[in-house]
This record gives sequence, C-alpha cells and structure tokens, in this order.
Amino acid sequence: QVQLVQSGAEVKKPGASVKVSCKVSGYRFTDYSIHWVRQAPGQGLEWMGIIDPSGGATTSAQKFRGRVTMTRDTSTTTVYMELSSLRSEDTAVYYCARAGHYCGSARCYAFDYWGQGPLVSVSS
Amino acid sequence: DIQMTQSPSSLSASVGDRVTITCRASQNISTNLNWYRQKPGKAPKLLIYGASSLQSGVPSRFSGSGSGTDFTLTISSLQVEDFATYYCQQTFSNLLFGQGTKLEIK
Repeated sequence: QVQLVQSGAEVKKPGASVKVSCKVSGYRFTDYSIHWVRQAPGQGLEWMGIIDPSGGATTSAQKFRGRVTMTRDTSTTTVYMELSSLRSEDTAVYYCARAGHYCGSARCYAFDYWGQGPLVSVSS
Repeated sequence: DIQMTQSPSSLSASVGDRVTITCRASQNISTNLNWYRQKPGKAPKLLIYGASSLQSGVPSRFSGSGSGTDFTLTISSLQVEDFATYYCQQTFSNLLFGQGTKLEIK
C-alpha cells in the first residue's frame, strides 16, 4: 500500500536550518511528484513547493524562495525539504503529499496520499 | 494571483443535517478544484477531485459541484466523523488552499 513516512518532530533555534524527510513506498517513486505543505498551529494549509522525483526539478512558492531546498534520493525513495534561516513564524507541521493525476492536463492533480506531518518548533 | 474565498469560515450543525460549503475563485479555474477534510492532529484527506469526482473509498454522502469560479461541497447527512475542518484547493495556477471551514457540532 502507498505510504509516506516522515521524520520526527524537531526543535530548532532561530537562524538554524531544519531538514525533514519523507520516505515513500508502495508505488514507483519516479511516477508521482511530491509536494510540501505546512500548517502553523491553529492555521490553514500553506503550499511550499514541489519536487519531481524523476529528474529532481523543483519549484517553490515565492514566499520560500531562497530559503527552501527540496531534494530526493532515488536509491532510498526519499525526498527531503530543508528550510533555512528559521524564525518563530516557521513553527508548523510540515507535510509531504503525493500528487496523483486524474486527467492528461498538468493542472489535473490532487494530493491523494499524505505523510503524518512532524511538528517543527522554532524557539530561542 | 488567483485568490480563493471559502465560506462560511465556521458552521454549526447536527448529526443527520445536510450542509454545504462554498469556495469561490477570483478567476476562472475550470474544474481544477479539490476538497479535503482534516481532523484535529491528522493530515488532510482527499474527498473530491476535479470539482465533482469522488475519491476512491470516500462515502457517497460527499458530493462536489461547480466550474469556473463557484464551487460547492455538500455533505448529505452529517456523521460524527464529519465534524472537522474542510479545505478547498485550486490547482489551476500557483496551487492555493482556501482558508478552511470548521464544522462543529451544534
């Protein structure tokens, strides 16, 4: 069965970096893009970016450009999201999600499987 | 950028009620609209994709409709497990979620 298993909770100091992993299984790793979505405590969902595991191409939301790095390791079927220069506002749950396509258009996709989402806390 | 406006932001209802949540896009997004349910402390779960298609395994009491700029999610008969927060998501351009609708027990 499809699974996305993420790394555990983290506590970081302002200015530090955090790297969250997302190990996928149950399907061919290179067939589906992986997105990163975060959720601050009591807030809504915020899209951060996407990685295409087949070639490693990434696109990030304007808000995170320059601070977020998404990578993948095809040998372990794991994707990573690293966020640098952390500040208190980055305290959130960070989810990875698989994008399943339902039609031929690049716009026809939905997040059909999600990781469990570890909490990253940023505090001095 | 496309803006998504979800309403209401919160809603009180009883088990067995029929409820409707709406999502409006600031410009035409065709049917590139998905709906998710999120229970506290859990990841979101896909309910509806492509505005009106029911995700595999999701109960038939959930339905979606709309195209262009106006969309609705309807739950025909609320169950206890449906008291949660619901999000719409547009994938037409620069992926964006609505701000959420919290459905509470009356």
